[in-house]
Amino acid sequence: AQTVTQSQPEMSVQEAETVTLSCTYDTSESNYYLFWYKQPPSRQMILVIRQEAYKQQNATENRFSVNFQKAAKSFSLKISDSQLGDTAMYFCATLSGNTPLVFGKGTRLSVIA
Amino acid sequence: NAGVMQNPRHLVRRRGQEARLRCSPMKGHSHVYWYRQLPEEGLKFMVYLQKENIIDESGMPKERFSAEFPKEGPSILRIQQVVRGDSAAYFCASSLQGTYGYTFGSGTRLTVV
Repeated sequence: AQTVTQSQPEMSVQEAETVTLSCTYDTSESNYYLFWYKQPPSRQMILVIRQEAYKQQNATENRFSVNFQKAAKSFSLKISDSQLGDTAMYFCATLSGNTPLVFGKGTRLSVIA
Repeated sequence: NAGVMQNPRHLVRRRGQEARLRCSPMKGHSHVYWYRQLPEEGLKFMVYLQKENIIDESGMPKERFSAEFPKEGPSILRIQQVVRGDSAAYFCASSLQGTYGYTFGSGTRLTVV
């Protein structure tokens, strides 16, 4: 079974600063995928970034980037130049071809003006 | 492209009634997933369907819950004889190919009174 652990229930960051959200996972699959989703107060789940486990290069998407450490089973999300609109719950998730998306419990991020 | 459409957005049911939640996947997507989110929790997988088939229902409670994705029309998550513990947000997601990540609907918030 796949599991995802997010050890930071809440975090805050000043506007324009950088923040890193932690995520560790466990899987017995050799081929899997990792994701970060954002859930603002509207409740909509929005895909932020995706990483293929067989790729060593860290994924980036504008101000969002990941630090993927496969041996340590770590997949952290870095948000640069934080904006007020980044305030949301952030969920780390993983899936493989055989299992559907499994989520962590989330980190509540507050961006402070 | 209207995205994943869920309705209703909010649903109130009395204990013992039936709740019926609908989900129309993105155009061209044939994979549908249902998740449940309790307050301050991550999303928990319930069931994975393709047209006319249940692929994985390992997260579905054995009693009172059922899901279908007919050849024509939306996917339906049905909860019979609802109890207060069924109160949660229910999310539907769809994908073209699961490993690219899922597109989520806005969810249905079920309240059992």
